[in-house]
Amino acid sequence: AQRVTQPEKLLSVFKGAPVELKCNYSYSGSPELFWYVQYSRQRLQLLLRHISRESIKGFTADLNKGETSFHLKKPFAQEEDSAMYYCALGTGGTSYGKLTFGQGTILTVHP
Amino acid sequence: GAVVSQHPSRVICKSGTSVKIECRSLDFQATTMFWYRQFPKQSLMLMATSNEGSKATYEQGVEKDKFLINHASLTLSTLTVTSAHPEDSSFYICSATTDGEGGELFFGEGSRLTVL
Repeated sequence: AQRVTQPEKLLSVFKGAPVELKCNYSYSGSPELFWYVQYSRQRLQLLLRHISRESIKGFTADLNKGETSFHLKKPFAQEEDSAMYYCALGTGGTSYGKLTFGQGTILTVHP
Repeated sequence: GAVVSQHPSRVICKSGTSVKIECRSLDFQATTMFWYRQFPKQSLMLMATSNEGSKATYEQGVEKDKFLINHASLTLSTLTVTSAHPEDSSFYICSATTDGEGGELFFGEGSRLTVL
């Protein structure tokens, strides 16, 4: 069975500091990894996915199959980055859209 | 982007009653919708996959007779919590995909159910 682990429930940094939200997964097949973000009082929305290999709002994430990780990084955090971040694993194929979520990490960026 | 809307956003009911939550894709057709449940300060747990015109596929441990899912059209899926009890109190979130490989998943705003 697949599993997603986000070891940090809370993460606090100061504005301008680098930030890394950790995500590890367990899955025997070919994984599809996503990061979703939920800002205060808003719905969950896609931040980025590994197949896109793009940077969104300054965030990047690289899939490391050897370490089974998909950590989210940003070199200079901004206050507006404060939100709940979920790492999610998809198994693709006919199960596309069926996601296993991690516990989530609440990121707080202090001024 | 595509919009998924849930209604009601909040509902309070008495124990033993049934509650229906609607999930609509407003500007796209969603062949597949997903229902999640989220307990306070915990992750989203997938309850079931809802396919238009067919029976929902429930995850292990989810009571299909307790959580009735209907996906009668390409824009509407409903979740009915039957004979609700206080332990059913939770945040229920639906999501819909534009389908196929590469189809993005869009989430509703969630519905908070409180059973007294």
